Amino acid sequence: DTGVSQDPRHKITKRGQNVTFRCDPISEHNRLYWYRQTLGQGPEFLTYFQNEAQLEKSRLLSDRFSAERPKGSFSTLEIQRTEQGDSAMYLCASGRTSGSRETQYFGPGTRLLVL
Amino acid sequence: AQKVTQAQTEISVVEKEDVTLDCVYETRDTTYYLFWYKQPPSGELVFLIRRNSFDEQNEISGRYSWNFQKSTSSFNFTITASQVVDSAVYFCALSGSGGSNYKLTFGKGTLLTVNP
Repeated sequence: DTGVSQDPRHKITKRGQNVTFRCDPISEHNRLYWYRQTLGQGPEFLTYFQNEAQLEKSRLLSDRFSAERPKGSFSTLEIQRTEQGDSAMYLCASGRTSGSRETQYFGPGTRLLVL
Repeated sequence: AQKVTQAQTEISVVEKEDVTLDCVYETRDTTYYLFWYKQPPSGELVFLIRRNSFDEQNEISGRYSWNFQKSTSSFNFTITASQVVDSAVYFCALSGSGGSNYKLTFGKGTLLTVNP
């Protein structure tokens, strides 16, 4: 059973550059979530997909952020024109709904530093 | 709106001591789920437990135990005979049920340091 994987694990970029992160969920999971975690804080919800449909976006997700999940498999999160405030850990989680229950399993995260 | 409060920012204990991590939550949902996750220095969040709002039975798994009290909106986590490998940040989280309500609301976490 392979877990959730994320790539890259670390990214350093200059302000104004675009970055893209990838998440590969657990294969049988139909839901995929993106969270952002800043230093000393708990993860905060950004957006989620059920299969290929993006069903909710947080107010934290500005216009510079876009996420996709083509064919309901892997997902990408792109940040355009990065700002120093985007520096954070970006976590991906996948979950499978069983009845009214769901447990999310997290990947190792992508740590972004914007200089 | 949902809210999770972990009042303890940091806890430091000596190996073999018992330690309890507190979690208080707020929700208007009648059906909800509570979780604990562990985040070691590597950064990956590791799922520990899920409880639903209708099941107030305490649960024990090895050295870990959880005390869910709906009357006080608390879901506390106890580690018995702590070990150095237990050192991590522990997060309590809350979700609703159905549709987009499965998204998790996390507390700010408690940094547990177990010293040899």
